[in-house]
Amino acid sequence: AQSVSQHNHHVILSEAASLELGCNYSYGGTVNLFWYVQYPGQHLQLLLKYFSGDPLVKGIKGFEAEFIKSKFSFNLRKPSVQWSDTAEYFCAVKGGRRALTFGSGTRLQVQP
Amino acid sequence: GAVVSQHPSWVICKSGTSVKIECRSLDFQATTMFWYRQFPKQSLMLMATSNEGSKATYEQGVEKDKFLINHASLTLSTLTVTSAHPEDSSFYICSAPHRVGGLLAGGNEQYFGPGTRLTVT
Repeated sequence: AQSVSQHNHHVILSEAASLELGCNYSYGGTVNLFWYVQYPGQHLQLLLKYFSGDPLVKGIKGFEAEFIKSKFSFNLRKPSVQWSDTAEYFCAVKGGRRALTFGSGTRLQVQP
Repeated sequence: GAVVSQHPSWVICKSGTSVKIECRSLDFQATTMFWYRQFPKQSLMLMATSNEGSKATYEQGVEKDKFLINHASLTLSTLTVTSAHPEDSSFYICSAPHRVGGLLAGGNEQYFGPGTRLTVT
């Protein structure tokens, strides 16, 4: 069975600080990995995805993530956060089944 | 890009009544769609997989007689919450997979609907 764990449940940063959100997955085979963002009161938006190839993936709004197969990790990073990045962030994995399995989410609060 | 719509976006119903939520893929065909539920401040939990032309597959702990799923066509899946109770109040989200990218480097990306907020009074 596939599973995802996000270690940071609530992160508070000041504007311009760097961000790294942890995501580890459990699945023995080939995976597709995703990061989604959910702004308050809005629906899920895809930030970035990894299917294959270059393990460093760049997404929208300056976000990037690195797939480290040996560590079963897909951490999300952004060099300098903005107040508008305040949102809930979800890591998701697609392994043997077609549906996505989501992590528990990380609430990011950026203080101006 | 691919678009998935849901209707209604929000609904309030009385306890004991049934509510139908529609999920449509607007510009692509989806033989499979997924229904998720998201409780406040929690993650998305997969409820069931909707399959066009066959029965839905439900996740463990999800009552199939309470959450009726019908995949009527290649672009429409419906979720009916029967005899709704206040504990069914939640945010229901559907998604449909659509292949993106090339044959070798591509994969199935999930396109999510905007969600339906159900409140049962």
